[in-house]
Amino acid sequence: GAGVSQSPRYKVTKRGQDVTLRCDPISSHATLYWYQQALGQGPEFLTYFNYEAQPDKSGLPSDRFSAERPEGSISTLTIQRTEQRDSAMYRCASSLAAGAGNEQFFGPGTRLTVL
Amino acid sequence: GQQLNQSPQSMFIQEGEDVSMNCTSSSIFNTWLWYKQEPGEGPVLLIALYKAGELTSNGRLTAQFGITRKDSFLNISASIPSDVGIYFCAGPHHSGNTPLVFGKGTRLSVIA
Repeated sequence: GAGVSQSPRYKVTKRGQDVTLRCDPISSHATLYWYQQALGQGPEFLTYFNYEAQPDKSGLPSDRFSAERPEGSISTLTIQRTEQRDSAMYRCASSLAAGAGNEQFFGPGTRLTVL
Repeated sequence: GQQLNQSPQSMFIQEGEDVSMNCTSSSIFNTWLWYKQEPGEGPVLLIALYKAGELTSNGRLTAQFGITRKDSFLNISASIPSDVGIYFCAGPHHSGNTPLVFGKGTRLSVIA
């Protein structure tokens, strides 16, 4: 596609519910990243994929968080048994390939609110 | 872990003024990136720096990669209202690795 898209743009859920966020990267991009951005902070790394492989998930805050990219294109981030502290903007980014020399293009984000 | 400290946290300036902001780290970075985030949008890359001492311009923006590799600055000359936004510095999460670590940002407001 023309840019990185994310859905939904806004999600409000009750504590304890599961949520799944979706990211559609730029179609030619091999590498996809998930970041969490709290209010007044910069994005913080959660995990990333090279095609369908997930080389690094060290940023996932707990085992309630998981991500998939089964066919190497669209990715989902699932948060189980949501807690109020999970409320944040979740941003997806993609790049042509891995490596700091490849620009990461960010999507508009999904704002998650856990009541 | 790696942390990036940005200053100032926020700035209010008059249109036409020059702006300077910086970013420091306790550890060495091999790449420095400057992003701008506007309301409702994701961060957009402004300038990328790959060599210590490198000075790079993009229109009215100029950024430098500090000699010690532990700092970088971003200057904006002759600010205009559309410069409003949050400016983030960023670098690779681990040495040579791909995911980025971001500073907390400098929020810029331009008064016309």
